[in-house]
Amino acid sequence: EVQLVESGGGLVQPGRSLRLSCAASGFTFDDFAMHWVRQAPGKGLEWVSSISRNSGSIGYGDFVKGRFTVSRDNAKNSLYLQMDSLRVEDTAFYYCVKDSALDLSLDYWGQGTLVTVSS
Amino acid sequence: IQLTQSPSSLSASVGDRVTITCRASQGIRSSLAWYQQKPGKAPKLLIYAASTLQSGVPSRFSGSGFGTDFILTISSLQPEDFATYYCQQLDTYPLTFGGGTKVEIK
Repeated sequence: EVQLVESGGGLVQPGRSLRLSCAASGFTFDDFAMHWVRQAPGKGLEWVSSISRNSGSIGYGDFVKGRFTVSRDNAKNSLYLQMDSLRVEDTAFYYCVKDSALDLSLDYWGQGTLVTVSS
Repeated sequence: IQLTQSPSSLSASVGDRVTITCRASQGIRSSLAWYQQKPGKAPKLLIYAASTLQSGVPSRFSGSGFGTDFILTISSLQPEDFATYYCQQLDTYPLTFGGGTKVEIK
């Protein structure tokens, strides 16, 4: 059974940093690209970042503007999102998501971790 | 690429046929997925490549379209289908989602 478990969310002041982690199990982690998708409370879905299987290809949403860094450790079956210079508008649930390897559709989602940016 | 879903919400009864549309701001071939999200839960993949049903998804769900105009159809709405539905384009980075369509009980 595929499982994706996010951790690292919490309350942080504007301008500070936070690092999210995602522990993956139930599939061969290094066979799949991975994504982060976020959702502000009561709002829609927003793609944050993608990383290819070997970390050779990485992409970010336009709003990131150099503030976030995605990485993965295939030996530890883990995905990370380092978030710096956080803004109030970054407040959201952050989901760790597995790529389907078919067409960039997202076939398994974690339960999400809430990041709240507030003074 | 911007995705515009319509309607943003709808009310329907069990057994109704429901259609949700998603329009892309430029052609995306068949690079579109549909997701269902229930309150407090993560989204679930329903359809990819515009019309291919994800494994385990009931056959009352179907997708169609190519280029800029896409449709998600629920042939006979069931109680467990009341949720919010999102389309997502997979053609070009940055990946983008539609604004969502909330399906409510009439």
